Amino acid sequence: DAEITQSPRHKITETGRQVTLACHQTWNHNNMFWYRQDLGHGLRLIHYSYGVQDTNKGEVSDGYSVSRSNTEDLPLTLESAASSQTSVYFCASSDSGETQYFGPGTRLLVL
Amino acid sequence: AQSVTQPDIHITVSEGASLELRCNYSYGATPYLFWYVQSPGQGLQLLLKYFSGDTLVQGIKGFEAEFKRSQSSFNLRKPSVHWSDAAEYFCAVGAGGSYIPTFGRGTSLIVHP
Repeated sequence: DAEITQSPRHKITETGRQVTLACHQTWNHNNMFWYRQDLGHGLRLIHYSYGVQDTNKGEVSDGYSVSRSNTEDLPLTLESAASSQTSVYFCASSDSGETQYFGPGTRLLVL
Repeated sequence: AQSVTQPDIHITVSEGASLELRCNYSYGATPYLFWYVQSPGQGLQLLLKYFSGDTLVQGIKGFEAEFKRSQSSFNLRKPSVHWSDAAEYFCAVGAGGSYIPTFGRGTSLIVHP
């Protein structure tokens, strides 16, 4: 069955370190998204991609970057982790029908 | 730009009781509408969606939702709630073409035995 996976599921890092969160989907979807989920803020869009070599900024993109070198993967990089980036991160993909399929999430703690 | 309001942050119901979660949207044209459920520690899972056609939509786990254009609403219902339905529920609206839905803040459902 097709799926979307995220790794690691839990991560503890220190302020200033670079962190990369992986997202891999086997749906063969062109569209991929990264969200962060925080209490009181719901889901906020960080970055998204409509296809290989395409990346776009979402509403909370500062301090984050993505790259899309193939259809299956959209890794999210925190260039220099900050405590404000402690959150739960979700990756999603979608087809032309706009239904989003979510990964299980990565819980990140920045100390 | 589209927007979504879920007026209830928390809803508490007894097991076996009926449920209605409210969702109001703002969008100039006919929207794409979704309900997702998030169990603790999990990602979001699609319950149902409305794109066009019949305004009463059936989803998984016995849920249904009704699109009411005159009220800009897409409320989620279930006739009899089970303890396993306790979760966070998100309504979302899509504009069509952008592939980026706007999510509501979510409603937390608590089920009492």
